[in-house]
Amino acid sequence: DSGVTQTPKHLITATGQRVTLRCSPRSGDLSVYWYQQSLDQGLQFLIQYYNGEERAKGNILERFSAQQFPDLHSELNLSSLELGDSALYFCASSAGQGPQHFGDGTRLSIL
Amino acid sequence: AQSVTQPDIHITVSEGASLELRCNYSYGATPYLFWYVQSPGQGLQLLLKYFSGDTLVQGIKGFEAEFKRSQSSFNLRKPSVHWSDAAEYFCAVGHGSGNTGKLIFGQGTTLQVKP
Repeated sequence: DSGVTQTPKHLITATGQRVTLRCSPRSGDLSVYWYQQSLDQGLQFLIQYYNGEERAKGNILERFSAQQFPDLHSELNLSSLELGDSALYFCASSAGQGPQHFGDGTRLSIL
Repeated sequence: AQSVTQPDIHITVSEGASLELRCNYSYGATPYLFWYVQSPGQGLQLLLKYFSGDTLVQGIKGFEAEFKRSQSSFNLRKPSVHWSDAAEYFCAVGHGSGNTGKLIFGQGTTLQVKP
C-alpha cells in the first residue's frame, strides 16, 4: 500500500461528459502529480501541484484542469470527454524532491 | 529533450535465471533515476532510486540497478527471478529542479517468467 488513495477505481461515461477524479496524497506529502497512461502514449505527466499551487505542467489538454485543496487532496477534472481520453489516470505524491509514490489509478472508459 | 528508452518491449526468462532490463536516458544534468514495477491492475510500485553517490543501488524484492554515466544507462538486475516478478517495469528520469519533480517514463518492458 503506497498510502496514496485514488477514487473512483473505475469510471464509465459517454463522450461530451465531465468527470472528476480524486486523489488523497500520503500523509505529509505536499506535492501531487497527475499522470495519464494509455496504450499509444505510455505514461505521460499531466500536472503537478505543490502545497496548493500549480508547479509544473506537462501535456495536459485545455479540457482538463486540476486543483489542490488546503487539506492537500487533489482533483483532476476532465470535460468534453472524447473517446481518446480513455486511459488509466494515476496520482502520485512526494515529499519535496523525494521519490514519487503512486496510487492504484482510476480507469476511465469513454463509450 | 529529456527522454528515456527501454529497448526491450518484452522479455521472457525462466524462473531462477538472472535478469537484466535495459534503460538508457537522455538528460542534460545529473539525473534522478527510478525503476517502478506495475502488476496487472495495480499502480506503480517504486523498486529503487538513484539520486547521487554510490552508483550501484539496492532496491526492494532483491533488485539492484547500476548507474553508468558514460553510457547514460541505468540497467535493472536481479540474480534469480521468481514467478511473482512477472510484471511491467518502467524506468524513469526525474526532471526539473526545486520541487518540479515530474517524471519522464520509458515505454516499459513486460517481463514474462517461464516455470
